[in-house]
Amino acid sequence: GENVEQHPSTLSVQEGDSAVIKCTYSDSASNYFPWYKQELGKGPQLIIDIRSNVGEKKDQRIAVTLNKTAKHFSLHITETQPEDSAVYFCAASSMRNDMRFGAGTRLTVKP
Amino acid sequence: GAGVSQSPRYKVAKRGQDVALRCDPISGHVSLFWYQQALGQGPEFLTYFQNEAQLDKSGLPSDRFFAERPEGSVSTLKIQRTQQEDSAVYLCASSLAGGYGYTFGSGTRLTVV
Repeated sequence: GENVEQHPSTLSVQEGDSAVIKCTYSDSASNYFPWYKQELGKGPQLIIDIRSNVGEKKDQRIAVTLNKTAKHFSLHITETQPEDSAVYFCAASSMRNDMRFGAGTRLTVKP
Repeated sequence: GAGVSQSPRYKVAKRGQDVALRCDPISGHVSLFWYQQALGQGPEFLTYFQNEAQLDKSGLPSDRFFAERPEGSVSTLKIQRTQQEDSAVYLCASSLAGGYGYTFGSGTRLTVV
């Protein structure tokens, strides 16, 4: 089955700096890679996703890149704000309802 | 409703007690998933339904865990004879169809004492 590795486990940045979170996956059949943001006491919320037919996708301050050959994908947050502080999860699936998650990155943005 | 609703939000059970956790998916969503999230970890897959059919239960950790979705909408996750290691947040997610666009509920935090 799919195995998703995520790092770093914690990340602290100054407000306005960029943050990068990286994930690797094992199953070459995986073709869908979402990112979720989880705030305390809430369920994960989808913030951006990418499918394997594109290498990069951007939505305002958030971007995701995918390298299918190397089996890794990354989340980039620019101009970070204190409200970006949360736990971020990457995930991978083959669209067969087999989504598996990384262990999470706790991002702290210091004002 | 507008989102996935889970109840109760918090549940404290004595070891050995049976519990039932409820999930109300988004209306019309065909797929429903249960995940278990231990403290400081990512969600771990438990089981998946397509309408009322349970198509994958490979993630259920033991035969004490049982899930159902009899009418293809509301789902219940039941844990019999709870153990301390069952303490976790249980997340439910639904999607319109297929393996993308999951919407998660806020979860049920189960504490077994």
